[in-house]
Amino acid sequence: GAVVSQHPSRVICKSGTSVKIECRSLDFQATTMFWYRQFPKQSLMLMATSNEGSKATYEQGVEKDKFLINHASLTLSTLTVTSAHPEDSSFYICSARLQANTEAFFGQGTRLTVV
Amino acid sequence: GIQVEQSPPDLILQEGANSTLRCNFSDSVNNLQWFHQNPWGQLINLFYIPSGTKQNGRLSATTVATERYSLLYISSSQTTDSGVYFCAVGQNSGNTPLVFGKGTRLSVIA
Repeated sequence: GAVVSQHPSRVICKSGTSVKIECRSLDFQATTMFWYRQFPKQSLMLMATSNEGSKATYEQGVEKDKFLINHASLTLSTLTVTSAHPEDSSFYICSARLQANTEAFFGQGTRLTVV
Repeated sequence: GIQVEQSPPDLILQEGANSTLRCNFSDSVNNLQWFHQNPWGQLINLFYIPSGTKQNGRLSATTVATERYSLLYISSSQTTDSGVYFCAVGQNSGNTPLVFGKGTRLSVIA
């Protein structure tokens, strides 16, 4: 299946700093990628839809100024958590498909801890 | 939006036992996937099954789209099957996001 790679897998940062997470489609081009967040022992919740060459679409309740998404190329989307706080500590995971109406693949996820 | 309900929420099995996990959804879908989330958090694709039946080794899945449910069967369970199993659905045509159920947490004990 398609490979979606996410980096870093784990990051610890100080409160008030920013962290960038990368999501790459390794063997296909993805005009659309999705970012999810998962708190401990909970399900995955969609944060935003990342569109190559245009602005991301954020779900209700997700602060677009705090979670900056850039989809500058057909194989890379980045999520930057700005001015991180302990409550932003979570598991962030991205997803992409080869084409519409097909199987979705997920990156390995990034475990963010803000201290 | 669409609701996805998974049952049971928790399941403990003796190694070698069989189990059935259920996923109910509240509206028509054109995409349904089953995942296994391992202890490191990675989502492993098990089945892409918007309708019909598929089998892969000890696992099989059936989706009855007209009745809005899907079943995941695990036979001869092994300790490595432990983890959380998620059902996720997608509506509408095109490249749309998946909506996840809350998962079934499976523990297989030796």
